[in-house]
Amino acid sequence: DQQVKQNSPSLSVQEGRISILNCDYTNSMFDYFLWYKKYPAEGPTFLISISSIKDKNEDGRFTVFLNKSAKHLSLHIVPSQPGDSAVYFCAATLFNNDMRFGAGTRLTVKP
Amino acid sequence: EAQVTQNPRYLITVTGKKLTVTCSQNMNHEYMSWYRQDPGLGLRQIYYSMNVEVTDKGDVPEGYKVSRKEKRNFPLILESPSPNQTSLYFCASSRTPNYGYTFGSGTRLTVV
Repeated sequence: DQQVKQNSPSLSVQEGRISILNCDYTNSMFDYFLWYKKYPAEGPTFLISISSIKDKNEDGRFTVFLNKSAKHLSLHIVPSQPGDSAVYFCAATLFNNDMRFGAGTRLTVKP
Repeated sequence: EAQVTQNPRYLITVTGKKLTVTCSQNMNHEYMSWYRQDPGLGLRQIYYSMNVEVTDKGDVPEGYKVSRKEKRNFPLILESPSPNQTSLYFCASSRTPNYGYTFGSGTRLTVV
């Protein structure tokens, strides 16, 4: 049962433009949502998180938006840079323990 | 340097031969977790630990064991590996998982 879904396996954007990565979830009990970035041959790296009681969190070029009624979150990267090319995983937690991940979206930022 | 260290990075083994993947963190984190990554499935949690001697099953615990005798170490044990346990494994640690885990570099396991 995939409780966290990333329906786009890949996304390609031009350098300097906005990248929008999407994620849907089914369990309304999730209390935190997170985004990780993963380069080949490395472990995932934590990017940004958001509490379920908020609808937006910003950190530099990265902004995460949460729409609880739609059970949807998105990660915006502005402006996109070639170094942002990686696989991005969405994740959600229950009670600080049970962390569920989506299947990932491969972002390619073209110079 | 703050890090999570897994060993080995690569391992090829035969069905039924017991193996242990070690994981150590130097950040004094309470939480530790093991994940496996498979194509199209993302990362799935195998086991997690909230502190020494406290462990619990994740999404896919069958065929795996863990122990947490010391805060820094969280080994993953496959008593009788099978080919469906061929995967990329990640260990992770955190003070507060809601604010993100720190992951190791991964262990690619092949069971033939």
